[in-house]
Parts: sequence; structure tokens; C-alpha cells
Amino acid sequence: AQTVTQSQPEMSVQEAETVTLSCTYDTSESDYYLFWYKQPPSRQMILVIRQEAYKQQNATENRFSVNFQKAAKSFSLKISDSQLGDAAMYFCAYTPKAAGNKLTFGGGTRVLVKP
Amino acid sequence: DTGVSQDPRHKITKRGQNVTFRCDPISEHNRLYWYRQTLGQGPEFLTYFQNEAQLEKSRLLSDRFSAERPKGSFSTLEIQRTEQGDSAMYLCASSLGLAGVLGDTQYFGPGTRLTVL
Repeated sequence: AQTVTQSQPEMSVQEAETVTLSCTYDTSESDYYLFWYKQPPSRQMILVIRQEAYKQQNATENRFSVNFQKAAKSFSLKISDSQLGDAAMYFCAYTPKAAGNKLTFGGGTRVLVKP
Repeated sequence: DTGVSQDPRHKITKRGQNVTFRCDPISEHNRLYWYRQTLGQGPEFLTYFQNEAQLEKSRLLSDRFSAERPKGSFSTLEIQRTEQGDSAMYLCASSLGLAGVLGDTQYFGPGTRLTVL
């Protein structure tokens, strides 16, 4: 069974600084997708960024970028120039292409942004 | 594009009662997913539909749970004889269901928070 592990329950960052969230996963599949979702308090889950496993290039979306290390099964998220609105729970998620795309989520990392 | 909607947003019920939740996916999204999220945890997969066909059910989905998507549009999730352990956020998501990461990206609704007393 696939598992996703987020080892940092909580991370704190100063406004305008950079924070990196870690995610590791376990799979025997070679082709899959990885996602980071953001869940603000009492609000719905929002897609932050996505990565296709067969693409070597790391995905970027504005201030958000990933470091995808396929051999190490690692998928970290970097938030640059942190803003107060970035405060939320961040979930790493995995899906193999052949499984109907059901997502397996990690336990989440809470990001606190200090003004 | 109005996004995924869920109704109700909150439901409080007494143990043993039946409850039903509704999910309206993004229009033209063929796949619809249900997840359960308990406090402080990541969501866990329950079931998913490709159009009106229910293609997979998790072991988490006991016999008291049933989901339908009768016309391939909205979906309902019913829990019969609720138990306190059913208290959680029930999330619905939808995707285009096409090949490629864009087609397989899931978009989530706001969730229905169930409290069983």
C-alpha cells in the first residue's frame, strides 16, 4: 500500500521569508502524480502545485516550487516570500496513474506565518 | 465554473439517526470522489464514481455507508445508524477524468462537517 509521510507537524516562518515543507512517499509504481494542497482554517482545500513523476523538471507556481527527487521518493514544497495568507495546513498527496486517481494524503503540516 | 459545492455544510445528529449529504461537482467533470477527514488528519479515500458507475470503495466504507450518483451529475452519501465514530468532515472532489495530470487533478468542495452526539 502506498503511504505518504509529512514529518513536520508544524512550521513557523517570518513574513517575507522562505519555508520548506517535507514529504516522502512509498510506492512501487513508476508513473504517478504528486500534489500539494492548502487547507486554510475552516476553508476548503485548494490545489497549490502538481508534479508528474516522469517529468524531471520541478514544478513552480509563482512563489511555490517543489524539489522532486524520484529516486529518494521525496517531494518537498518551498514557499518563498511568505505572506500572512499562506498560513494553513498543507497536505502532500500521491496518486498512481492506474488507480482511478484516488489520492493518498500525508498527515499535514501546519504553517504559521509571523508578521 | 462555480466549483464543487456540498450541502449541508454542517450537520449535527443523534447516534442512530440516518444522514444524507449532497455533492455537486464542477460541470463536465466525469469523476467524483468522497473522502473523510478527521480532526488533525489528512483526508482518507472512501469511494469514487466515473459518471454514474461506482468504481471503487474503500474498506472504510462500512455497510452503513452508501453513495450514489444516479445521473452522473450530483452525488449523495448516506450514513445509516450513525455512530459517534462517524463524526468527521466529509469532503467531495471532482476531476475531468481525462488522461494526464491536468485531467486527473481533483478539486475539492468545502466539506460537510458531521457531529454525532
